[in-house]
Amino acid sequence: DVKVTQSSRYLVKRTGEKVFLECVQDMDHENMFWYRQDPGLGLRLIYFSYDVKMKEKGDIPEGYSVSREKKERFSLILESASTNQTSMYLCASSQVVRTNQPQHFGDGTRLSIL
Amino acid sequence: AQSVTQPDIHITVSEGASLELRCNYSYGATPYLFWYVQSPGQGLQLLLKYFSGDTLVQGIKGFEAEFKRSQSSFNLRKPSVHWSDAAEYFCAVGAVEQLTFGKGTKLSVIP
Repeated sequence: DVKVTQSSRYLVKRTGEKVFLECVQDMDHENMFWYRQDPGLGLRLIYFSYDVKMKEKGDIPEGYSVSREKKERFSLILESASTNQTSMYLCASSQVVRTNQPQHFGDGTRLSIL
Repeated sequence: AQSVTQPDIHITVSEGASLELRCNYSYGATPYLFWYVQSPGQGLQLLLKYFSGDTLVQGIKGFEAEFKRSQSSFNLRKPSVHWSDAAEYFCAVGAVEQLTFGKGTKLSVIP
């Protein structure tokens, strides 16, 4: 089974801090994704990456950046955390598009910015 | 642009009753369609997927979904709901790297 591991289940940070959310997958997947999930809004794509050192903006990239130095690891960075970034963050991975494989999700990180 | 509508925000059913969760999509080509389930405090788990072929798709946990191109729908069904099915369900459409999710339907199950 695919395993997508997010480093923290719960995280509390202060406004203005630089925050790192880490995600690791163990299936050698090319694609990795970061979403945020808010009540009534569903899942919104922040960034995705289809290869090491490659990244593409999703629907809501403002205030975030990402890093993918190794294939198995995809980090989401909040450069200067703000209270409106309090949310559930979900990481996902998948194989390349041509195989039409679904995205596999981690358990999420619930981030609170005080 | 692709979009997904799940018309029901919250559904309550009795244990043992049948279930149908609605999903309507808008997509410019042949869609790839998915249903995911999210238990409280957890990530999303894939229930089933449709790419092509038979329009009735079987998934895990006794769920199935039917793709109807003429209605742009991909409704999720289960003949007999169990208390453990209480969760939030998300429909998604699109290519794998550009999935669009619906806002979800929360399912409550009455014992």
